Amino acid sequence: DVKVTQSSRYLVKRTGEKVFLECVQDMDHENMFWYRQDPGLGLRLIYFSYDVKMKEKGDIPEGYSVSREKKERFSLILESASTNQTSMYLCASGLRTQTGYTFGSGTRLTVV
Amino acid sequence: RKEVEQDPGPFNVPEGATVAFNCTYSNSASQSFFWYRQDCRKEPKLLMSVYSSGNEDGRFTAQLNRASQYISLLIRDSKLSDSATYLCVVNFDTGGFKTIFGAGTRLFVKA
Repeated sequence: DVKVTQSSRYLVKRTGEKVFLECVQDMDHENMFWYRQDPGLGLRLIYFSYDVKMKEKGDIPEGYSVSREKKERFSLILESASTNQTSMYLCASGLRTQTGYTFGSGTRLTVV
Repeated sequence: RKEVEQDPGPFNVPEGATVAFNCTYSNSASQSFFWYRQDCRKEPKLLMSVYSSGNEDGRFTAQLNRASQYISLLIRDSKLSDSATYLCVVNFDTGGFKTIFGAGTRLFVKA
């Protein structure tokens, strides 16, 4: 089974802090994604990457950046955390869009 | 109009019941379709793909209706363990694939 591992299950950060969320997958997938999930809004795509050092903006990239230096690792960076970035963050990977994704267990981030 | 719409529910059904959810999509160029299941405070997990010819996996049947632009999920003989949120997913090609998740339909199966 594909395993997607997110580094933290719960995080509490202060407003203005720089926050790093790490995601690692073990199945050599080209495609990796970062989503946030909020009640009533569903999953919204922040950024995705289809290859090492490649990145594309999703629907809500503002306030975020990403890094993909190795195929298996995709990092999400909150440059200066704000309270409206309190959310569940989900990383996913997939071989091809048409085959579906595997998600990590999520990081619940609270910004105070 | 949202690109992918689901009835949020909740659907409350007794054990053993048959329940069906629909999911409508607005982009006729949509290429591939999936159902995911998400338990409370857990990540979404791929349940099944959806094909025009229909796709059955045990008690679960997924169907695609391209003419009316909706997909459906039918659960027969509901179990308590089927209680979850069911997300539909639509991929369409806009020069690069775009994936849209529905907001989900909540299902509660009661004893």
